[in-house]
Amino acid sequence: SQQGEEDPQALSIQEGENATMNCSYKTSINNLQWYRQNSGRGLVHLILIRSNEREKHSGRLRVTLDTSKKSSSLLITASRAADTASYFCATAVYGGATNKLIFGTGTLLAVQP
Amino acid sequence: DGGITQSPKYLFRKEGQNVTLSCEQNLNHDAMYWYRQDPGQGLRLIYYSQIVNDFQKGDIAEGYSVSREKKESFPLTVTSAQKNPTAFYLCASSSRRRNNEQFFGPGTRLTVL
Repeated sequence: SQQGEEDPQALSIQEGENATMNCSYKTSINNLQWYRQNSGRGLVHLILIRSNEREKHSGRLRVTLDTSKKSSSLLITASRAADTASYFCATAVYGGATNKLIFGTGTLLAVQP
Repeated sequence: DGGITQSPKYLFRKEGQNVTLSCEQNLNHDAMYWYRQDPGQGLRLIYYSQIVNDFQKGDIAEGYSVSREKKESFPLTVTSAQKNPTAFYLCASSSRRRNNEQFFGPGTRLTVL
C-alpha cells in the first residue's frame, strides 16, 4: 500500500531557483526519509527526520515535518542541473516484527540550465 | 568498497520461464528488501527479510519467491505465476544502527518477451 503521496508529481525550475516538494502520509510514523533517484538507477538516501523533530538541514537540503498534519516538505535551495532526478519520501513504521519503509509516488524534478 | 550489488543489469525472459535476480551486500546489514518499480511510479515492496532464514511477504508477493540462506544474499525468483513481470527491480539493505536508512543496489530491468 502506498502511504505517501507527493506533490507536485512533476516540477520544472531554472538553475539557481529553489525547489519545494511535499509529502503527505496516513499513519503514525517513527521517522520520515527522503530519497533521490536518477533515471534508471537505484535510490540514494538524502536525509532522515525523526517524528519528534520539526526541521532538519543537510547542505542545500531542508526538511520539515508536521506530524499533526501528517506532512513533510523537502526544500532544495540554489538548485543545479545535477539536481534533476525523482525524489521520494518514505515513512518508517515500526511495530512488532514489522520494520519497513513505505514509499511515496515521487516528484520528478527537472532543473533547466 | 562496501555496497550492494545486483545482477544482471538487464534480463530478458520468455513467458512461462522462472528467472532469479541476484542481490548481494557486504555492509553487514541484517535486513534486506526487494521492491518493484513500474514506469513513473513509486516503489512497491515484494518481500523483506530482517534476519537470516526468515522473510516476510510485502504488498505484492504473489508470483515471487525469495530465500535468505546467508546474511549477504537475498535472491528473488520471478515465477511464471507473476502475470506482469516486466518492471525495474530494486534490492536494498538496512541496519538498525543506521536508523534503518536503506541502501539500494543499481537495479535489474526485467523484460518479458
